[in-house]
Amino acid sequence: GAVVSQHPSWVICKSGTSVKIECRSLDFQATTMFWYRQFPKQSLMLMATSNEGSKATYEQGVEKDKFLINHASLTLSTLTVTSAHPEDSSFYICSARKSGLERDNEQFFGPGTRLTVL
Amino acid sequence: AQRVTQPEKLLSVFKGAPVELKCNYSYSGSPELFWYVQYSRQRLQLLLRHISRESIKGFTADLNKGETSFHLKKPFAQEEDSAMYYCALNAGGTSYGKLTFGQGTILTVHP
Repeated sequence: GAVVSQHPSWVICKSGTSVKIECRSLDFQATTMFWYRQFPKQSLMLMATSNEGSKATYEQGVEKDKFLINHASLTLSTLTVTSAHPEDSSFYICSARKSGLERDNEQFFGPGTRLTVL
Repeated sequence: AQRVTQPEKLLSVFKGAPVELKCNYSYSGSPELFWYVQYSRQRLQLLLRHISRESIKGFTADLNKGETSFHLKKPFAQEEDSAMYYCALNAGGTSYGKLTFGQGTILTVHP
């Protein structure tokens, strides 16, 4: 078990539009989910920590008004890239931690979403 | 702030040769270290973690606090080991639960 899905797997949008990416834990509950950004052949950069029922915690330098995160249930977190621009083009990856096993610290990763902004 | 460094971006070995992927970290407290692997076109998955002290797919890693290192080793590399490997650190305190990743090392095992 411990499967995380992301939808869509890839998306192309026009500059100025908003894009929503979903992250779901399919067979477990996740109080905490994480959103990462990955540039080609580079490392994962943590953008924010998403907590069910509360506001997300953003890392330094990440604009919270630009990257809206909602964690409305124990199995779903969404990342909305608002007014997307070409520089937002990237690979966005989410991960989830099992509820009740927070001390375990293991994160289960989604397959990622490729965003291309034209 | 914590930091993870993987000095080698690319590492190539022949099948059957030993392999070592280097990872150094900087963190003032007691870190929890992980190795994650990403095979071609697949998602990131946990390979091993220092607290479990187990061997997965023949890989081992020992936390050396004196040298602040957590190098990943395998005595005999296999072609299926070719992948991207990330070293990651979980710090405590206000960063508890967050993972800081190294830059990654692409391992290629030649037949």
